[in-house]
Amino acid sequence: DAGVIQSPRHEVTEMGQEVTLRCKPISGHDYLFWYRQTMMRGLELLIYFNNNVPIDDSGMPEDRFSAKMPNASFSTLKIQPSEPRDSAVYFCASNLGGSASYEQYFGPGTRLTVT
Amino acid sequence: KNQVEQSPQSLIILEGKNCTLQCNYTVSPFSNLRWYKQDTGRGPVSLTIMTFSENTKSNGRYTATLDADTKQSSLHITASQLSDSASYICVVSGNTGRRALTFGSGTRLQVQP
Repeated sequence: DAGVIQSPRHEVTEMGQEVTLRCKPISGHDYLFWYRQTMMRGLELLIYFNNNVPIDDSGMPEDRFSAKMPNASFSTLKIQPSEPRDSAVYFCASNLGGSASYEQYFGPGTRLTVT
Repeated sequence: KNQVEQSPQSLIILEGKNCTLQCNYTVSPFSNLRWYKQDTGRGPVSLTIMTFSENTKSNGRYTATLDADTKQSSLHITASQLSDSASYICVVSGNTGRRALTFGSGTRLQVQP
């Protein structure tokens, strides 16, 4: 298996622009997670899905952030409009199991820079 | 409030030496505790995962211990190699839901030749 796939790997955009990050989970996994990592705050869970349904989005920082999972093999995290403080590495992770606390497999991340 | 605290924040050791990283948590109820290794520029990779009933688990030169009574865990690295240079993140899981995952801020390990 190719593991969790994320695209793009790097994104540089100007403040105010829309940014869309993409994730393909490991085939057969029923949980998908979006994380943000910064030097100041470490890893933060933004939202997670179970069987394509958002279960907990309480970590999403603002209304500017939205996430979708239209099918079992694809998810997007959108930021509109983007701001410099959104600069971070965004990770997608997936797992298979009966709960969100089972072992997770992380993608390589998307490094977002908003200028 | 659920918290995971790791120490030290950073550590430098010489190749071939052993080291121990610490993780203290206040997450309750407790489901499992994991140690992740994160190389620079990459996603975290799981090293070990321990449930309440397990007090030690090994993965090659990595050995994790768990004391559920004192809510402490350690990660011991034996005969360190240059490739061990990375951040090590302790993650504690509770029940389902957002509170299921509480992350430590990590220990940055640098192994020098």
